[in-house]
Amino acid sequence: AQKVTQAQTEISVVEKEDVTLDCVYETRDTTYYLFWYKQPPSGELVFLIRRNSFDEQNEISGRYSWNFQKSTSSFNFTITASQVVDSAVYFCALSSNNAGNMLTFGGGTRLMVKP
Amino acid sequence: DAMVIQNPRYQVTQFGKPVTLSCSQTLNHNVMYWYQQKSSQAPKLLFHYYDKDFNNEADTPDNFQSRRPNTSFCFLDIRSPGLGDAAMYLCATSRDRVGGGYSNQPQHFGDGTRLSIL
Repeated sequence: AQKVTQAQTEISVVEKEDVTLDCVYETRDTTYYLFWYKQPPSGELVFLIRRNSFDEQNEISGRYSWNFQKSTSSFNFTITASQVVDSAVYFCALSSNNAGNMLTFGGGTRLMVKP
Repeated sequence: DAMVIQNPRYQVTQFGKPVTLSCSQTLNHNVMYWYQQKSSQAPKLLFHYYDKDFNNEADTPDNFQSRRPNTSFCFLDIRSPGLGDAAMYLCATSRDRVGGGYSNQPQHFGDGTRLSIL
């Protein structure tokens, strides 16, 4: 069975602070895919990034960066110089062909960025 | 812009009165999904279609049905809504990949329909 754990249910920061959202996953598959989604108050889930299990290269996209470490089964997400518009619930998710192609979501982390 | 559109944005129905939620997509994706999301929880997959093939999750109540008349449209029917069915319902799409399987494809979500039961 697959499992995704986001231990931080809620984080509050002040604008311009850096913040890291943790994600730890469990899977028996050797090939799998990790995702981050953002869900702002309006409700839609917005795809942010996908990472393949065989590619441990970290990625940076503007103020967003992701740190994938297979040794610790973690796929953490860092927002640099946070802004109020970053306030949302962030979901980490896992999928694999052997697990029916479906997304297994973590419980989500609610990020509140205060001005 | 290509997108996933859900109607209506908000739906109110009476206890036990059937309700249908709709989803359309202009992405031409093979796969369409329906999720239920309750407050402060992660989305929970109800079922999905791979083209016309329907795949029901084991724990989806019989009260929930779905139809996909063509590639672009998918409907969620709740036959006899109970108070516990009040939630946000999210539709998503994804494409498959060359060689089969779609687990590596990101899902594209609509804005959701928030269902209230009176």
